[in-house]
Amino acid sequence: GAGVSQSPRYKVAKRGQDVALRCDPISGHVSLFWYQQALGQGPEFLTYFQNEAQLDKSGLPSDRFFAERPEGSVSTLKIQRTQQEDSAVYLCASSLPLLGLYEQYFGPGTRLTVT
Amino acid sequence: QQPVQSPQAVILREGEDAVINCSSSKALYSVHWYRQKHGEAPVFLMILLKGGEQKGHEKISASFNEKKQQSSLYLTASQLSYSGTYFCGTEKRGSWGKLQFGAGTQVVVTP
Repeated sequence: GAGVSQSPRYKVAKRGQDVALRCDPISGHVSLFWYQQALGQGPEFLTYFQNEAQLDKSGLPSDRFFAERPEGSVSTLKIQRTQQEDSAVYLCASSLPLLGLYEQYFGPGTRLTVT
Repeated sequence: QQPVQSPQAVILREGEDAVINCSSSKALYSVHWYRQKHGEAPVFLMILLKGGEQKGHEKISASFNEKKQQSSLYLTASQLSYSGTYFCGTEKRGSWGKLQFGAGTQVVVTP
């Protein structure tokens, strides 16, 4: 079946612009995670949804970052007034928790470059 | 606090073995292992839940010592396709699958 898809794959934004990154999880996966990955580093947790409920947003770096999943499937990560330090790859992962195990499947990511 | 992975990098000839370690200072519920090739998404390898548990994926296996909060990934008879960066992700109990990833171990397998 189809995996996790993300769009756009690449985004260049001028400092101060707003951007919206989309994630289409695997059909039926109730859990959805957003991670930020800097060059040469491991992914860092941003936020987590269970269906449409955002249960954890402790990793969002500032109030310029906002995520939603209104119908419990597609999710959007929005970054307002982008800054150079926001440049990174943004990864989305989905999971169908089974017996308490969150096996996560990642999308290809969106590479954001802020100039 | 992110887990600590070692070594940072390893170069292998095809057919050689390697071990990657992942340790945490916090009590863990599970450990997840992923492999990421350059410019691609991390690919799930395996998840370990119980102390002492071992699992395998092809000729890649892993163990989890719950008491020591340590996990090790074993690459046996390495193949060219094993090249990539390996990440461990650790999960605390009750954290809904939220993972903290190590900085990664870059593995290069040469012919």
